[in-house]
Amino acid sequence: GQNIDQPTEMTATEGAIVQINCTYQTSGFNGLFWYQQHAGEAPTFLSYNVLDGLEEKGRFSSFLSRSKGYSYLLLKELQMKDSASYLCAVRDLDYKLSFGAGTTVTVRA
Amino acid sequence: DGGITQSPKYLFRKEGQNVTLSCEQNLNHDAMYWYRQDPGQGLRLIYYSQIVNDFQKGDIAEGYSVSREKKESFPLTVTSAQKNPTAFYLCASSSQTSGSSSYEQYFGPGTRLTVT
Repeated sequence: GQNIDQPTEMTATEGAIVQINCTYQTSGFNGLFWYQQHAGEAPTFLSYNVLDGLEEKGRFSSFLSRSKGYSYLLLKELQMKDSASYLCAVRDLDYKLSFGAGTTVTVRA
Repeated sequence: DGGITQSPKYLFRKEGQNVTLSCEQNLNHDAMYWYRQDPGQGLRLIYYSQIVNDFQKGDIAEGYSVSREKKESFPLTVTSAQKNPTAFYLCASSSQTSGSSSYEQYFGPGTRLTVT
C-alpha cells in the first residue's frame, strides 16, 4: 500500500510563492500526480512526474525525487483563485491512485 | 463536449435504503473508478474497473456494489450494509491507450450523499 503525507494547511499572500511538500512510502511506484480541488468540486489534474526532476507548467511546477520518496508542488505568482485544496497522489503498478489528505492553501490579499 | 457526468449532485436517503449513484463518461476511457471523500481525509478508492464486465474491490469496498455492463457507465450502489454512507462520492475515468504515459484520471462533479 501507500502512505502519503502532506501538510494540512498553508497560507500565503497574493503574488507570493508557496511550496507544498509531499512524502510517500510505496510498495510499487508508477508516477506521482498533483490535483487541485476547489471546495465542493471535482479534482482537476495539475501535473505528473514519473522520473526525477522538475516539471514546469506555467505558474505551477512539480518536483520528484524517487530515492527520497519526496515531491513538491510550487505555485508562483499566487492569485486569489489559487485558494483551493491540493492533492498529492501516487500511482501503483496496477494504475490505482492513493491520495494524501490534501493541503488547503489560502491566498490573502 | 467530452466529459464525465454524475447525477444527482445532492442525494438524500433514509437509513436502511439502498441508493444507486450514476456515472457516465463519453471520453472512450477503458478504466473507471469510484472514490469516497470525507472531510479532512484523502480520496479513498471504493471500486475500480479496467474493462467492461470486470471490476475490482478498492480499499473500502464493504457495503458497496458496482456493475460495468457498458464502457460508458459505472454505477455505484450504496447498500444498507454501509455503516457510514454520508460522504462526497467521486467517479473518475482514465485511458490506458492515449499514447501519453501519464494516463491521468478525469473526475466527475461528484454526488454528495446524506443518509439520515
